[in-house]
Amino acid sequence: DAGITQSPRHKVTETGTPVTLRCHQTENHRYMYWYRQDPGHGLRLIHYSYGVKDTDKGEVSDGYSVSRSKTEDFLLTLESATSSQTSVYFCAIRTGLDYNEQFFGPGTRLTVL
Amino acid sequence: SQQGEEDPQALSIQEGENATMNCSYKTSINNLQWYRQNSGRGLVHLILIRSNEREKHSGRLRVTLDTSKKSSSLLITASRAADTASYFCATGNRDDKIIFGKGTRLHILP
Repeated sequence: DAGITQSPRHKVTETGTPVTLRCHQTENHRYMYWYRQDPGHGLRLIHYSYGVKDTDKGEVSDGYSVSRSKTEDFLLTLESATSSQTSVYFCAIRTGLDYNEQFFGPGTRLTVL
Repeated sequence: SQQGEEDPQALSIQEGENATMNCSYKTSINNLQWYRQNSGRGLVHLILIRSNEREKHSGRLRVTLDTSKKSSSLLITASRAADTASYFCATGNRDDKIIFGKGTRLHILP
């Protein structure tokens, strides 16, 4: 079974500080995704990666950057956190070959004060 | 932008009854998926239906897809307390992304 860990699981930070969230997978899945979940908006895609050093923007990418230096790790960085980035962040991997079925991590709850 | 839209937004039913939730979408799709999210947890993939399929079953789940109406339904039969969760549809096409709706909150009453 695919395994995903996200760290940290909870974080409180102040406006203007940089924040990095980590997603780690235990298998060599090519595609990895970062989403944010907010009440009334469902899940929205921030960035995704289709291989080492290969990334692309999603629907809500402003204010976020990502990096993938090795297959198992996908990092999401908020260069200067704002209160509007308070959210729950989910990492996911694509497990389907023919179709884009996704397996999700447990989430990181981020609060920006 | 949101592709799928679930209906109703919230649903409460008695344990043992059937629960039906719907998803409508705007543009053509290659597949449609349903996910479940228990409170405070990540999403779990339930079932995928391809655009050339009309109905699919998995245990107590039945999914239908009507591409002419751009809609799908998820039926959960003989509901249990453990089915209390939020349910999301997600539409996929021949690219790297899937797009999620806003979800239906299902509450099973004892």
